[in-house]
Amino acid sequence: EDQVTQSPEALRLQEGESSSLNCSYTVSGLRGLFWYRQDPGKGPEFLFTLYSAGEEKEKERLKATLTKKESFLHITAPKPEDSATYLCAVQAVGGGRRDDKIIFGKGTRLHILP
Amino acid sequence: NAGVTQTPKFQVLKTGQSMTLQCAQDMNHEYMSWYRQDPGMGLRLIHYSVGAGITDQGEVPNGYNVSRSTTEDFPLRLLSAAPSQTSVYFCASTSDGSSYEQYFGPGTRLTVT
Repeated sequence: EDQVTQSPEALRLQEGESSSLNCSYTVSGLRGLFWYRQDPGKGPEFLFTLYSAGEEKEKERLKATLTKKESFLHITAPKPEDSATYLCAVQAVGGGRRDDKIIFGKGTRLHILP
Repeated sequence: NAGVTQTPKFQVLKTGQSMTLQCAQDMNHEYMSWYRQDPGMGLRLIHYSVGAGITDQGEVPNGYNVSRSTTEDFPLRLLSAAPSQTSVYFCASTSDGSSYEQYFGPGTRLTVT
């Protein structure tokens, strides 16, 4: 069964304390893996797409990496404004885009303390 | 550009009532989707559309109807609301039909009593 698991569920860090969020996946075929940020009471905001193992993407203090079984979102020297829920989603291959499945993880709630 | 807009922001319904959640985008995106987000669960796809006049079912379509008469609008109809439909609903759009790099709306929080 296709599934996406994010860990930890919640993470509290001091400002400047770097860490990583994990997204592990089990799918029959991966077409793409997506990271989103969601602030309370708002819709998810797209961050990154990764397509193949070994790929990396960076944006400010965030770096996303991908292996054949999992993705990591590395946060370097975080600031309080990085506090949010980070969602991982996997596009699992179907017969075509209309048959592909999109599976979201439950998210990691990140809280950065000043 | 307003992006993706949704109305209403909050709604309370009684069991059995019907209503329409509105979604509009001004980015000329062909692809639009509806999701629901429940505590302790990931976002789940309800229905999606690959262009005006074309809609398809997602993972949890039962109890919901959609139509797409224009590129801009993609309303979601609850036919007979049930407490199990209490959730936060998000509309999303993308210009890339092969990807889920999506722009999400701000959401509608629906409570069914």
